[in-house]
Amino acid sequence: SQTIHQWPATLVQPVGSPLSLECTVEGTSNPNLYWYRQAAGRGLQLLFYSVGIGQISSEVPQNLSASRPQDRQFILSSKKLLLSDSGFYLCAWRGQGETQYFGPGTRLLVL
Amino acid sequence: SQQGEEDPQALSIQEGENATMNCSYKTSINNLQWYRQNSGRGLVHLILIRSNEREKHSGRLRVTLDTSKKSSSLLITASRAADTASYFCATDFGNEKLTFGTGTRLTIIP
Repeated sequence: SQTIHQWPATLVQPVGSPLSLECTVEGTSNPNLYWYRQAAGRGLQLLFYSVGIGQISSEVPQNLSASRPQDRQFILSSKKLLLSDSGFYLCAWRGQGETQYFGPGTRLLVL
Repeated sequence: SQQGEEDPQALSIQEGENATMNCSYKTSINNLQWYRQNSGRGLVHLILIRSNEREKHSGRLRVTLDTSKKSSSLLITASRAADTASYFCATDFGNEKLTFGTGTRLTIIP
């Protein structure tokens, strides 16, 4: 069966520090991969998605970047965090069907 | 924005009652999906309804879709305390992405 992992679960970082969040999927090949951000009590904002290795589509211009170095690995990065980068970051994958499957999320607090 | 709007934003009902939440969207879709999110967790897929379907059932869930009004509703029957969560609709325009609504926060009072 397929599983999706995200780490870390919680992260507190100072303004101006770098960021790296990792997402990996097991049990499937060539999935679509997605990064979302959710502000407190709000809906999901799609940040990046990828349909294959090295293929990244950016949805919102911002302080973040994404990379897909391996088929089932998706990384969200920043060189210098801003206060506004705080939020709940969710990774998701999609296979042959239309359903997306979400990871447990990373709560990021930038101070 | 293509983002769906959900209504109500928050809903509190007694255990055993039915809960209905609505979703509206702006452009033609391939399908519409409903997801649940427990506090501090990832989203879990509940049900998918295609644009050529009008109603779908899964256990205590009933989803309707009215493409002429560009709206959908999710009905949870005989609610339980464990149904307390946020519920999101998501629209699929056939472009590899989903666009999520703003969510309805459902509280079931025991």
